[in-house]
Amino acid sequence: AQSVTQPDIHITVSEGASLELRCNYSYGATPYLFWYVQSPGQGLQLLLKYFSGDTLVQGIKGFEAEFKRSQSSFNLRKPSVHWSDAAEYFCAVGPFLSGATNKLIFGTGTLLAVQP
Amino acid sequence: EAQVTQNPRYLITVTGKKLTVTCSQNMNHEYMSWYRQDPGLGLRQIYYSMNVEVTDKGDVPEGYKVSRKEKRNFPLILESPSPNQTSLYFCASRAGLAGLSTDTQYFGPGTRLTVL
Repeated sequence: AQSVTQPDIHITVSEGASLELRCNYSYGATPYLFWYVQSPGQGLQLLLKYFSGDTLVQGIKGFEAEFKRSQSSFNLRKPSVHWSDAAEYFCAVGPFLSGATNKLIFGTGTLLAVQP
Repeated sequence: EAQVTQNPRYLITVTGKKLTVTCSQNMNHEYMSWYRQDPGLGLRQIYYSMNVEVTDKGDVPEGYKVSRKEKRNFPLILESPSPNQTSLYFCASRAGLAGLSTDTQYFGPGTRLTVL
């Protein structure tokens, strides 16, 4: 069955420090992969997506992610975190054809706190 | 501005009192869906719709109904809400239909529902 795992429930980093959020997926073929961010009280905003081609994808707000097929991973990175990056981050994979739902399967999220 | 809107954003109700959460998108998208977000579970799909008058169940449809009479609107109906439906609900839309699509899924701002 398809699944997404975000091993870190909560991460705290200092402002200006680098960030890496982990995401592992389980899927039988090359997936479409996404990272969404949810700021407090806000909806989900797409940070970046991977469909094919270059395995290092750039997103908005200075984020990037690297698809590693051998590790079934799609980790999100940012070289220097800003206080405004404090939010919850969701990795997602899909859409899937089963029942033509076109649904995305989400990880359980990683809550990022940024210390001054 | 392209967007998905939901109303209300916050709702507190009592067990058994029927309610409707509206969802509207202005992008002429054919595909729309509803998710619920619960701590530790990520987002799970409730229902989806491929087009007007075409709807189907997602992973957690029990206790919910939907309708798609117009392309832009996809209301979520709770005929007899129960406390286990207390959750954060997201509506989403996407242009692509069945099959793998590279179109981005856009999310509404969320509706926080509390059922007492």
